[in-house]
This record gives sequence, structure tokens and C-alpha cells, in this order.
Amino acid sequence: DIQMTQSPSSLSASVGDRVTITCRASQNTRGYVNWYQQKAGKAPNLLIWTTSNLQSGVPSRFSGSGSGTDFTLTISSLQPEDSATYYCQQSSSAPITFGQGTRLEIK
Amino acid sequence: EVQLVESGGDLVQPGGSLRLSCAASGFTFSNYWMQWVRQAPGKGLVWVSRLNGDGSTSNYADSVKGRFTISRDNAKSTLYLQMNSLKDEDTAVYYCGRGCFSDSTGCVAHWGQGTLVTVSS
Repeated sequence: DIQMTQSPSSLSASVGDRVTITCRASQNTRGYVNWYQQKAGKAPNLLIWTTSNLQSGVPSRFSGSGSGTDFTLTISSLQPEDSATYYCQQSSSAPITFGQGTRLEIK
Repeated sequence: EVQLVESGGDLVQPGGSLRLSCAASGFTFSNYWMQWVRQAPGKGLVWVSRLNGDGSTSNYADSVKGRFTISRDNAKSTLYLQMNSLKDEDTAVYYCGRGCFSDSTGCVAHWGQGTLVTVSS
């Protein structure tokens, strides 16, 4: 099974800050890494698919990068509505696995 | 508009069974892989199972293998999760999800609102 280790587990940042969340896979994921945002009490929302593809309707301040085992989600200019928990996911092979999540708080 | 509506969540005793349903609309159901993902209270997302469009290929998380069965009725555009031998640790909100594209086996672009399964005596 491919394990996904996400860091940090939580962070606090100010509006306008650049924020980076990382995810490290235990094996090569061939780029099949996706990122989701989940707000309290809501279903997850897809942000990025297959490393760097922005999902339709997602603001362009969100971006993804990486390859092999190391991947990054970046928010270029943090907005108040970005307060949420973020998850990476590998879909390279079954069982599909998620990172443990990063809780992002706006100062 | 893609819509996924889960139902069937309930309070059930350990060792009991439950069947969840996910009614889909707004797309050609049989063209997409479908998935179940769960989230225990206050915890992270955990993948449970996936099924391809014609129902011939499925995968399960080790934690549910042999106890849960995923299936679909393409004529009714409905996905199911039969859960047997339920344990306390199966308590969670269960989400169904549709693949990003017709050949997407893991990425989930559309999610239901979730249905709560509580396993407790």
C-alpha cells in the first residue's frame, strides 16, 4: 500500500500569505496525486487532479506541483474563505490512500 | 448538474448489517467509476471501495475486505454498499463519489452529502 504523509498537520497564516502544504508518498505515484479541500460539516471539494491540473471552478490562487513521491499544494495569496482542512490523495494504485490532513487557520 | 444523494445510514448494533445507497443523476452513470469514502467523527478521510462502470472490477480497503460489498444498478443509476459484521470502528459519515472523468479510477470530482452510520450497542 502507498502511504501518504502530509505536513504540516496544522498551520495558521494571514490573509495574503503564500501557503504551502506538502505530501510525501511511500512509493512512486506516477503523478496520480489529487488535492481536496474540506470545510467543517461539508463534503470534500476537489481542487487539483493529477499533480497540477486545476479543477474547473477552483480559484487560480490554488496550484499543485511535484513528481514521483513529493507533491505540493500552494495557495498563492490566502483568502478568508480558504480556512479548511486539506487532504492529498494518491490514486496510482489500490488501495487508494489519503494523507492525514492539514488544518489551515486564518489568523 | 451532477447530483449524488446517499441514504441508508442508521444506528446499528455491532455485528449487524446495513445497506447504503447512492442515487446518481445528471450524468451517464454507467460510464464512471464510483467510490465510497468514509470519515469517522473528527477524523480524516478514509477510502473504502471503488467499482468500475459495468460493475466487473472492484477494490476494497483492507479494513473492510470480506465484510463490505460494493455494487451498482446502472438501470437505476444507483450505487450500493452492503456492510456486514459491522464494528464500532465503522462508525462514520459515508460519502459516495464519482470519478473525475470516465476513465478516472481514483480522483473524485463529485461527492454526495454523506450519510451517517453509527455502530453502537
